[in-house]
Amino acid sequence: DVKVTQSSRYLVKRTGEKVFLECVQDMDHENMFWYRQDPGLGLRLIYFSYDVKMKEKGDIPEGYSVSREKKERFSLILESASTNQTSMYLCASSKGQSREKLFFGSGTQLSVL
Amino acid sequence: GENVEQHPSTLSVQEGDSAVIKCTYSDSASNYFPWYKQELGKRPQLIIDIRSNVGEKKDQRIAVTLNKTAKHFSLHITETQPEDSAVYFCAASSSGYSTLTFGKGTMLLVSP
Repeated sequence: DVKVTQSSRYLVKRTGEKVFLECVQDMDHENMFWYRQDPGLGLRLIYFSYDVKMKEKGDIPEGYSVSREKKERFSLILESASTNQTSMYLCASSKGQSREKLFFGSGTQLSVL
Repeated sequence: GENVEQHPSTLSVQEGDSAVIKCTYSDSASNYFPWYKQELGKRPQLIIDIRSNVGEKKDQRIAVTLNKTAKHFSLHITETQPEDSAVYFCAASSSGYSTLTFGKGTMLLVSP
């Protein structure tokens, strides 16, 4: 059974702080994704990675960066957190070259005060 | 890029009724259409998907239909049960190398 683990379930940060959200998958999946989930807006793709050290922007990359130094780990970085980045962040992974069948983590609810 | 519209945003039904959620997409090249279910406080999970070479697919009480000409696809849940209560997301992509574009979600509430 695929496991995608996000390090924190809830996180509270101050405006201007640098924030790291961590995600680890244990099924040797090539692709990893970061989504943001907001009520009424659905799931919006921030960044994804198809290989170690490779990344591509999604639909809403502004204010975020990512890091993938190891295949199993994909980090989302908020360089200077702002209140409009308060949201649920979902990590996902998929196998091989396909970016279709996504396995999601349980999410990190980030509050920026 | 692809745009996916999903309706309704909320749907309330009585247990045993059927529920239908509809999505439209804009990119005629889209050929893969999955549905994800997210129970309260849990992760989204893939429940059913369909490719453009198939018009309908069923899995027990759930089914998905696709109308390529009209560029819309629907999720049908029959004999709804309280455990069907969740947010359902549709999505579309144009190839295995494309990322999924999600709809905004439908909150389904099944009352006993």
